[in-house]
Amino acid sequence: GAVVSQHPSRVICKSGTSVKIECRSLDFQATTMFWYRQFPKKSLMLMATSNEGSKATYEQGVEKDKFLINHASLTLSTLTVTSAHPEDSSFYICSAREAAGAGYTFGSGTRLTVV
Amino acid sequence: QKEVEQNSGPLSVPEGAIASLNCTYSDRGSQSFFWYRQYSGKSPELIMSIYSNGDKEDGRFTAQLNKASQYVSLLIRDSQPSDSATYLCAVRNGANNLFFGTGTRLTVIP
Repeated sequence: GAVVSQHPSRVICKSGTSVKIECRSLDFQATTMFWYRQFPKKSLMLMATSNEGSKATYEQGVEKDKFLINHASLTLSTLTVTSAHPEDSSFYICSAREAAGAGYTFGSGTRLTVV
Repeated sequence: QKEVEQNSGPLSVPEGAIASLNCTYSDRGSQSFFWYRQYSGKSPELIMSIYSNGDKEDGRFTAQLNKASQYVSLLIRDSQPSDSATYLCAVRNGANNLFFGTGTRLTVIP
C-alpha cells in the first residue's frame, strides 16, 4: 500500500529558531499534500494544502510567513516552522493524496517542542 | 458552525458490546466520509470509508451514511480492549478538503 514517510518524529528546538519537517511519498506520486496540526486531546486541524509546483493554500488563521510549505516535487513536501515559539509546540502530521478522489495516506507525525 | 461535529465522549462500553460512534457534517456537497482510529501520540489510521447512503460492513466495523440527515456513524461489534482509542470522523467537502471532527474517545472495559 501507499506509504508516507515523515521525519523527524520528534524535535526539540529553542525559541526563535526554525525547524523543517519533511514528508515523502515512498511509492506513489503525491499531487497534493496536506499539513495538519494537532494539540493535545484536540482534533487534527488542517493548516494548508499544497499542490506540486504551486504555492500552498493556507487555512484561515494560519500564518503563511511563519509556516513555510514547499512542494517542489511529486514525492516531497516540507513544512518549515520559522522563528518558533513555545505556543508552536504541537503534533504536526502530513498526508498525501495521489490524485483527486484517491485515498489519503498519513505520515507518522512530528512532535515539536519549542523550549 | 464546525464542518464536522462529534461527541467527544468519553464513551465506555464493556468488552463484547457494540460501540456506536456518531458524526454530523455541515457541507451538503460532501461526497466522501472516513473513520480513522488514533492511538495516543500516533498518526490516524483509516478504518472505513463510505461514499453512498446505507451501510458498509468490514469485519467488526459497520459504517452508516445518511446524506439527507448529514449523518455518518460507525458501529464496532464485539468490542475489544484493543479498540480503545480516539475515533475521528473525517469528511471531504465540496472543495475537496478533508476536515476532521474532534474525535470520540472510546474505552472498552475488560
